[in-house]
Amino acid sequence: QSALTQPASVSGSPGQSITVSCTGTSSDIGTFNHVSWFQQYPGKAPKLMIYDVTNRPSGVSNRFSGSKSGDTAFLTISGLQADDEGDYYCSSYTTNTTVIFGGGTKLTVV
Amino acid sequence: QVQLQESGPGLVKPSETLSLTCAVSGDSITRDTCWGWIRQPPGKGLEWIGSLCHSEGSHRDTYKGPSLKSRVTISVDTSKNQFSLQLSSVTAADTALYYCARGRRGTYDSWGQGTLVTVSS
Repeated sequence: QSALTQPASVSGSPGQSITVSCTGTSSDIGTFNHVSWFQQYPGKAPKLMIYDVTNRPSGVSNRFSGSKSGDTAFLTISGLQADDEGDYYCSSYTTNTTVIFGGGTKLTVV
Repeated sequence: QVQLQESGPGLVKPSETLSLTCAVSGDSITRDTCWGWIRQPPGKGLEWIGSLCHSEGSHRDTYKGPSLKSRVTISVDTSKNQFSLQLSSVTAADTALYYCARGRRGTYDSWGQGTLVTVSS
């Protein structure tokens, strides 16, 4: 069971929009809508930003949105801000009743 | 507001068993949800270790990631409102920051601060 595939890094300027992809298989993202996205700052625990593909927990900015097409999920951050800089991880439930994470994407706001 | 706090030895010798506990406050460990363990080797990504889930009727199930399945035990102590992780036969590759978290099917909405475990003689 390999990790979900994410780009190692993405970058954008303040105010711009960026999209992070997360590619799995028909055994995880392709079958379930249980895809989550986490934001992690250095030395801190991950924070849930998106769950069940499109849902935002209370308190998460509406600049964060999620979507899915086939075996790939996407996280879009609009109106990029300096404090969006960090690492982003996707996760998915699988047909083996396990959870799998992506390798992580480092977002740089330049 | 739920809080999770990991505890355990920060240094474990190779071939020994790593034991960690996650104390939960602000929520019941027996509620209809799951309690998981996730680890992160230094400078690397997140790896799901496994979880223990409660459902209606006090039914309890444990789920484990395929790569660690044979070495992992996850248990619960309802009297102390905490759950535990045991990872046997550790090697240097098990050196990581270990997190406990609450959530079903990967929707981990609450996390502990993490505890660093180093495997070294």
